[in-house]
Amino acid sequence: GNSVTQMEGPVTLSEEAFLTINCTYTATGYPSLFWYVQYPGEGLQLLLKATKADDKGSNKGFEATYRKETTSFHLEKGSVQVSDSAVYFCALKKSSGDKLTFGTGTRLAVRP
Amino acid sequence: DAEITQSPRHKITETGRQVTLACHQTWNHNNMFWYRQDLGHGLRLIHYSYGVQDTNKGEVSDGYSVSRSNTEDLPLTLESAASSQTSVYFCASSERLIAGGATDTQYFGPGTRLTVL
Repeated sequence: GNSVTQMEGPVTLSEEAFLTINCTYTATGYPSLFWYVQYPGEGLQLLLKATKADDKGSNKGFEATYRKETTSFHLEKGSVQVSDSAVYFCALKKSSGDKLTFGTGTRLAVRP
Repeated sequence: DAEITQSPRHKITETGRQVTLACHQTWNHNNMFWYRQDLGHGLRLIHYSYGVQDTNKGEVSDGYSVSRSNTEDLPLTLESAASSQTSVYFCASSERLIAGGATDTQYFGPGTRLTVL
């Protein structure tokens, strides 16, 4: 079946540090890939997405590239801010359906 | 602005009681989903619906039920609450496009924290 594996957290960084959160997936066919972010006390919201191989999703300084050869969709940001502290979820959606499969989430804490 | 709301935001109940969590969306989306969030498991799908009168089981559906009598609402019922159902519950909705090209974005409610004692 489909699955998403994320690096375990928490990830603790100083402000302006470089961020990478690893995500790999297992799926048949050509899924769409997503990063969702959950700020404290809130629901999830879409951060970025990519729908086909080599697509790059980007938003708010975050980027992720759909790598079919390595089945990965790693999240990166060049310079994190305290306001980026949140839990980040990688997810996939099969091309034939509407359900999302989520990873376990990675908590990011950014120190001033 | 369109939104998705959940109520109550917090609920404490006792083992064996029936509990219903409400989810209401004004996006006019066809698709609605219920997830539970637990440490170490991320979000797991409980039930989902692709339209009125349609309901489907997700990966952790035992002990839960849903009904879809209109587009806006998908209430989640715990028939007989158990301590293992203590969790944070999220409702989500998404648009279903015609001709099989469903949109990708799910919109989430703020969550309901349920404690079963």
